[in-house]
Amino acid sequence: GAGVSQSPRYKVAKRGQDVALRCDPISGHVSLFWYQQALGQGPEFLTYFQNEAQLDKSGLPSDRFFAERPEGSVSTLKIQRTQQEDSAVYLCASRLQEWAYNEQFFGPGTRLTVL
Amino acid sequence: EDKVVQSPLSLVVHEGDTVTLNCSYEVTNFRSLLWYKQEKKAPTFLFMLTSSGIEKKSGRLSSILDKKELFSILNITATQTGDSAVYLCAVANYGGSQGNLIFGKGTKLSVKP
Repeated sequence: GAGVSQSPRYKVAKRGQDVALRCDPISGHVSLFWYQQALGQGPEFLTYFQNEAQLDKSGLPSDRFFAERPEGSVSTLKIQRTQQEDSAVYLCASRLQEWAYNEQFFGPGTRLTVL
Repeated sequence: EDKVVQSPLSLVVHEGDTVTLNCSYEVTNFRSLLWYKQEKKAPTFLFMLTSSGIEKKSGRLSSILDKKELFSILNITATQTGDSAVYLCAVANYGGSQGNLIFGKGTKLSVKP
């Protein structure tokens, strides 16, 4: 497709369940970012990939959060033992080059609700 | 700590009005400032600003950056109901992970017919 896609668009999980969120970046984009957006807030950085390498995971809120991009294209964000405070929209963004002024292109997000 | 502050947080106007949205920042190693429009879906890119004093325009939208005073404004003229959205301001710096964006909380704009 022409843009960044994410799936599922909506996910409801019971507290304690594990979830996996998928991101398909724009083809050929080197950089991939994950952000967490709580209700009424701006997106907050979680982690960054350059191709398959996870170069920065400083924004991940706990060790329950794990992300991978094994072949340098599709990425998965996994949250283990979900908590209510994990409820948010998870946005994925991709960028053409690893170090550039280019803008990041965002996917529609996955809205996670933890009951 | 790096931060981006947007004001106002919400704004209600009528069609045809002109609005100005504000974004101030305190960020080390500033690289660029970006504006996005977010409706109930993906934030869509509007502008990227890197140099002071150079206005960028796209139709009824325009934006300018002041790197001395550390702020940017986004202007929308002759507003339409389709302009209703949250407008996000974000800053990229040289530190951190090669340009991850630091976002403000956004300005929620509602345009009434």
